[in-house]
Amino acid sequence: DIRLTQSPSTLSASVGDRLTITCRASQNINTWLAWYQQKRGKAPKLLIYKASNLQSGVPSRFSGSGSGTEFTLTISSLQPDDFATYYCQQYNGDWTFGQGTRVEIK
Amino acid sequence: QVQLVESGGAVVQPGKSLRLSCAASAFNFGTYTMHWVRQSPGKGLDWVASVSYDGTITFYGDSVKGRFTISRDNSRNTLFLHMTRLRLEDTSLYYCAREGYGTHLRTFEMWGQGTMVTVSS
Repeated sequence: DIRLTQSPSTLSASVGDRLTITCRASQNINTWLAWYQQKRGKAPKLLIYKASNLQSGVPSRFSGSGSGTEFTLTISSLQPDDFATYYCQQYNGDWTFGQGTRVEIK
Repeated sequence: QVQLVESGGAVVQPGKSLRLSCAASAFNFGTYTMHWVRQSPGKGLDWVASVSYDGTITFYGDSVKGRFTISRDNSRNTLFLHMTRLRLEDTSLYYCAREGYGTHLRTFEMWGQGTMVTVSS
């Protein structure tokens, strides 16, 4: 099975900060990686697909990059609505998720 | 509106069975691959199973293989998850999710609100 490791697990930040979350895969997954945002009590929402493609309707402050085994999700200027948990997901083989990164208010 | 609505969650004893449903509305259900994903309380996401658009191809996560069965009834726009030999560790919120197509193939572009399954003696 392909394992995904996200870092950090928790991130304290302020509105306006630039944030980067890293996701590392246990083997090469090319660019078959997605990012999801999950707010408390809600279902996950697709943000980024194929490592760097922004899902329709997602603000442009979100961006993704990477290929192979290392990937990043960047939020260029954190907004109040962005405090949530973020998950990476690989879909090179079966589907697996990272353990999540919680973005909290500093 | 376009939505997925899960139902069927309950409190059940270990070893028992339960069937979850996911009703789709306002989109052409029979053309999409569908998935079940679960989330233990306070934990991360765990893919459970998938079924092709026509129900002929299924895949399962290792933790549920041989115990859970995913199926669909396209005439009723409904996805199912039949869970047997339930274990304490199956306690989770179960989401159904619609897979994308084209450039979004194999991503989960739409989710329901989830239904809670609690396995407890």
